[in-house]
Amino acid sequence: EDKVVQSPLSLVVHEGDTVTLNCSYEVTNFRSLLWYKQEKKAPTFLFMLTSSGIEKKSGRLSSILDKKELFSILNITATQTGDSAVYLCAVGSSGGGADGLTFGKGTHLIIQP
Amino acid sequence: GAVVSQHPSWVICKSGTSVKIECRSLDFQATTMFWYRQFPKQSLMLMATSNEGSKATYEQGVEKDKFLINHASLTLSTLTVTSAHPEDSSFYICSAGDRGYEQYFGPGTRLTVT
Repeated sequence: EDKVVQSPLSLVVHEGDTVTLNCSYEVTNFRSLLWYKQEKKAPTFLFMLTSSGIEKKSGRLSSILDKKELFSILNITATQTGDSAVYLCAVGSSGGGADGLTFGKGTHLIIQP
Repeated sequence: GAVVSQHPSWVICKSGTSVKIECRSLDFQATTMFWYRQFPKQSLMLMATSNEGSKATYEQGVEKDKFLINHASLTLSTLTVTSAHPEDSSFYICSAGDRGYEQYFGPGTRLTVT
């Protein structure tokens, strides 16, 4: 059974701090790892990672995948209150054709002003 | 980016009735869509994979006779919760992908069964 574990489950920091969110996984036939941000409604896509060691960056957010150690991190620098959300890590595996994602429980990030 | 819509966004129904939720890909065609369920303060759980023109594939523990999925066209999938009960109250989210592995989520439908 595929498994995705995120840590920490919740995190409270002050505005301006840098945070690192962790995601480890155990899946058969790994295909991709995705990061999503969920505020009040459905998740919004952040990154998709398929190759080890290649950092993806978007503004203050960045992410990298280690396929040997089976984990990924999501970094947010110079955090703002608008970054407060649940960050979800999900893994896609290839079972022949398109497959649904297995999600971790998420990290609830709170940025205090 | 790809846009996925859901309708309705919120529905309240009485126990024993059926509810249909629509998921549409607005600017791309999706041969495969996915249905997830999210209980409060929990993560998304995949319920089923909806395949255009064929039967849906259900995850273990999901009753296919209770959660009917129809993928009538390349832009529309529907989830019908039959004989709904209060324990079916949840946030239902669909997703579709247009570029390989990325999935784009609809805004979700909050179902409350009284």
